[in-house]
Amino acid sequence: DQQVKQNSPSLSVQEGRISILNCDYTNSMFDYFLWYKKYPAEGPTFLISISSIKDKNEDGRFTVFLNKSAKHLSLHIVPSQPGDSAVYFCAASLPSYTGKLIFGQGTTLQVKP
Amino acid sequence: GAVVSQHPSWVICKSGTSVKIECRSLDFQATTMFWYRQFPKQSLMLMATSNEGSKATYEQGVEKDKFLINHASLTLSTLTVTSAHPEDSSFYICSAGYSGGAYEQYFGPGTRLTVT
Repeated sequence: DQQVKQNSPSLSVQEGRISILNCDYTNSMFDYFLWYKKYPAEGPTFLISISSIKDKNEDGRFTVFLNKSAKHLSLHIVPSQPGDSAVYFCAASLPSYTGKLIFGQGTTLQVKP
Repeated sequence: GAVVSQHPSWVICKSGTSVKIECRSLDFQATTMFWYRQFPKQSLMLMATSNEGSKATYEQGVEKDKFLINHASLTLSTLTVTSAHPEDSSFYICSAGYSGGAYEQYFGPGTRLTVT
């Protein structure tokens, strides 16, 4: 049962344009969502997060939007840079925080110069 | 930001032997550490959660006797793959978190295990 889904395995964007990565979830009890960036053969790096009580969180070029009614979140990267090329994972956490994160399958972003 | 290290970064071992992987939080005290496994082009699968000084909590389907986890201090957790088999070959990643409401986990660089 995949509670967190990233339905697009890959995305290709031109440098300078906007990258939009999407994530859907099924468990309405999730109260915290996170985005991680991962390069091959490295551990994921935390990017940005959002609490379920908010609908937007912005940090520099990265903005995460949360639509609770649709159980959907998205990560916007503006402007996209070649160094952003990586695999992006969204993850979700439950209120009874044990630290357990449930990850989506990941989306590979390629930013072309 | 918080730094988590893993050692070794890669290891090759023969079937039947045991391999120990270390995970260290370098600049903070990790009350909880997590061990993940990632197969090629797949998501991170949580194997177990370990809290300092207590037994690890394993996810369903993960063999406790095969994947031994020890969290002896607030900065060190170890994963030992016992009697390794080729199907245990994978990328193992640890992460560390700390209490106080912080949801973010900080990941180590991962360890590539190849069992021949």
